[in-house]
Amino acid sequence: GENVEQHPSTLSVQEGDSAVIKCTYSDSASNYFPWYKQELGKRPQLIIDIRSNVGEKKDQRIAVTLNKTAKHFSLHITETQPEDSAVYFCAATAYSGAGSYQLTFGKGTKLSVIP
Amino acid sequence: DGGITQSPKYLFRKEGQNVTLSCEQNLNHDAMYWYRQDPGQGLRLIYYSQIVNDFQKGDIAEGYSVSREKKESFPLTVTSAQKNPTAFYLCASRERTATATNEKLFFGSGTQLSVL
Repeated sequence: GENVEQHPSTLSVQEGDSAVIKCTYSDSASNYFPWYKQELGKRPQLIIDIRSNVGEKKDQRIAVTLNKTAKHFSLHITETQPEDSAVYFCAATAYSGAGSYQLTFGKGTKLSVIP
Repeated sequence: DGGITQSPKYLFRKEGQNVTLSCEQNLNHDAMYWYRQDPGQGLRLIYYSQIVNDFQKGDIAEGYSVSREKKESFPLTVTSAQKNPTAFYLCASRERTATATNEKLFFGSGTQLSVL
């Protein structure tokens, strides 16, 4: 089955700096890679995702990059703000576009943005 | 207000007792999932259901059971066979069709289960 490794487990940055979280996956058949953000005491929410036919995707201050050859993908947050403080989870799955899928999650990264 | 609702928010289990966590959604989603969240462990899949009256084991199904008698409901029972049940339990749902690519999971607000 799929195995997803996520690093670092904790990350502290100064407000305005960039943050990078990295994940590796083991199953070369995986083709869908979402990132979820969980603020303290709240439910996880999807913030960005990428499919294997794309190398990079951006949405305002967040971006995700994917290297299929190396089997790793990364989340980049620029101009960090205190409200970016949360636990971030990466995930991977082999998804056919219909029917079932099972996401395998990384263990999470606790990001703290220091004002 | 559409969404996915979990109850109770906090639950305590005595040794040898079975307890049931509720998960209800009004999003008309076919697929529903149960995850267990332990500190520093991420989200691990317990059970999932793609359609009514069908469910599959996830990675850590031992000591748990589920049912899917209605599309809206996917309750999780933590049995006495689960020796380490203290954790935060998250239910999720996803729209599933034959052709749509709706991969987004919608999560409930979770249930914290503790052992007395």
